Amino acid sequence: GESVGLHLPTLSVQEGDNSIINCAYSNSASDYFIWYKQESGKGPQFIIDIRSNMDKRQGQRVTVLLNKTVKHLSLQIAATQPGDSAVYFCAENNTGNKLTFGGGTRVLVKP
Amino acid sequence: DAGVIQSPRHEVTEMGQEVTLRCKPISGHNSLFWYRQTMMRGLELLIYFNNNVPIDDSGMPEDRFSAKMPNASFSTLKIQPSEPRDSAVYFCASSPALGTVTDTQYFGPGTRLTVL
Repeated sequence: GESVGLHLPTLSVQEGDNSIINCAYSNSASDYFIWYKQESGKGPQFIIDIRSNMDKRQGQRVTVLLNKTVKHLSLQIAATQPGDSAVYFCAENNTGNKLTFGGGTRVLVKP
Repeated sequence: DAGVIQSPRHEVTEMGQEVTLRCKPISGHNSLFWYRQTMMRGLELLIYFNNNVPIDDSGMPEDRFSAKMPNASFSTLKIQPSEPRDSAVYFCASSPALGTVTDTQYFGPGTRLTVL
């Protein structure tokens, strides 16, 4: 799958370091948020989600933080690995079953 | 679990031709979504179905685009006639959620469409 390419914000990170990807969402009524990872030639893959009644959720090597006051979402990846190189999208739900996706952030892991 | 299945994976056609993209959602999922992804516009929702019924098609670009879901295990997105600006990657996603309960959407591998 091709994602927004030439104009994507890019985060370069050294292998083994932690990564933090940020996302500002638009609608204060949004109640569900998802982070997706998209590798070249593939569809978006679910990483982790969080509902608006929480401010933090942890998965395997990933943590999502939600700050509803400033409408900000972040994804933290611990001990970043080469396989983490991809484009990361945040998505918010505010209307029925629909998700609105952000523009994406490209993560490049340097060996 | 096979995940969401899409076919074809790649489609190259000439302007004016009809194009049909196919999707098989994950078994047991109640909602199905069609998205389009381009470099300029990112990932856009075209239409989604709940229990095979189209709920929101506000993202469908124009009358040249149509989508159907004749049963719970199959959906099509048709473009007729196709134009070069329709070139994009088209994704199908499915979700176990129904109605106002929002749940994770699982994406297929996509169909890369090129209209010459």
